[in-house]
Amino acid sequence: SQTIHQWPATLVQPVGSPLSLECTVEGTSNPNLYWYRQAAGRGLQLLFYSVGIGQISSEVPQNLSASRPQDRQFILSSKKLLLSDSGFYLCAWSVLRGRNSPLHFGNGTRLTVT
Amino acid sequence: KQEVTQIPAALSVPEGENLVLNCSFTDSAIYNLQWFRQDPGKGLTSLLLIQSSQREQTSGRLNASLDKSSGRSTLYIAASQPGDSATYLCAVGGATNKLIFGTGTLLAVQP
Repeated sequence: SQTIHQWPATLVQPVGSPLSLECTVEGTSNPNLYWYRQAAGRGLQLLFYSVGIGQISSEVPQNLSASRPQDRQFILSSKKLLLSDSGFYLCAWSVLRGRNSPLHFGNGTRLTVT
Repeated sequence: KQEVTQIPAALSVPEGENLVLNCSFTDSAIYNLQWFRQDPGKGLTSLLLIQSSQREQTSGRLNASLDKSSGRSTLYIAASQPGDSATYLCAVGGATNKLIFGTGTLLAVQP
């Protein structure tokens, strides 16, 4: 069966520090991968999605970036965090080219920038 | 630009009641609509996916309907239980399965 892992579960970082959140998927090949952010009182916002290794599409201009160094690994990064980067970050996957494939989410990372 | 709205924002019902959660979207050109459940501090769990050509989907006590032309979906929960307490989110899917989410309905089922 397929599983998705995200870490760390919680993170407290000072303003200006770097960020690296990692997500891996097991039990499937060539998935679509997604990074979403959920801010307090707001809906989920799609940040990045990827249809293959090295293929990243950005949905929202910001100081975050994403990379996909391996088929089932998706990394969210920042060189210098802002207070506004605080939120709940969720990684998700779906079947490649599966327009009618359910999205499966990890358990998320709670990021607090102080 | 697609916008997804969920009403009500919060709902409290006694155990055993049947209930309906509503979701509306502004652009009817969708591939699918998905309903998710989110427990506090956790990720989302997929409940039901309705393809744009379908009218409804059922899973256990859950039934989701889709009226694409009017931009509406409902999630019906039968015989609610305290374990159903969570936030329920709907999302509409377009190309590459990018989802646009509503802000959710917080459901509390009182024992």
